Amino acid sequence: AQSVTQPDIHITVSEGASLELRCNYSYGATPYLFWYVQSPGQGLQLLLKYFSGDTLVQGIKGFEAEFKRSQSSFNLRKPSVHWSDAAEYFCAVALNYGGSQGNLIFGKGTKLSVKP
Amino acid sequence: DAGVTQSPTHLIKTRGQQVTLRCSPKSGHDTVSWYQQALGQGPQFIFQYYEEEERQRGNFPDRFSGHQFPNYSSELNVNALLLGDSALYLCASSFSGTGFTEQYFGPGTRLTVT
Repeated sequence: AQSVTQPDIHITVSEGASLELRCNYSYGATPYLFWYVQSPGQGLQLLLKYFSGDTLVQGIKGFEAEFKRSQSSFNLRKPSVHWSDAAEYFCAVALNYGGSQGNLIFGKGTKLSVKP
Repeated sequence: DAGVTQSPTHLIKTRGQQVTLRCSPKSGHDTVSWYQQALGQGPQFIFQYYEEEERQRGNFPDRFSGHQFPNYSSELNVNALLLGDSALYLCASSFSGTGFTEQYFGPGTRLTVT
């Protein structure tokens, strides 16, 4: 069965430090890949997505992610973290039904704390 | 441009009762998906509605049912509520013309079952 693994439940970084959140997926083909962010009590906001092409994708708020087919990974990065980035981050995959997206399968999330 | 809206924001129900949650999609979107997010977990897919029909369904019992209206808005109904149904219910909308490829989420409805 398809699955998404986010190995880190909670990460704490200092403001201004770099960030990398890990995501691995299990799927027979290349799925569509997404990162979402959720602030406390809020819904999910789409940060970035990968469908095909360039394996390094840019998103909003200065985030980027790199798709590595050989590692079945789609790690999220940011060069300099701001206090406002503290939130929960979810990696998700969508199965590719002949070019049409299926439902999203989410990882369990990584909670990011930012210390001054 | 209004995003995805959901109502109510919070809801408290008793075991065995029935509940209806509502969702209005983002302007220009014609597809609505529903997800359940238990505390400390990622969202889990319940079902997706397109053209007023259930297009896909996740691993949820028949107690969970839905409906989509001609204006693309949607309802999620849960019958015979269990304590385990307590969760944040998220609605997401997308556009079929782009292969349903981007889902935009609403703020969610927090359901508490006592």
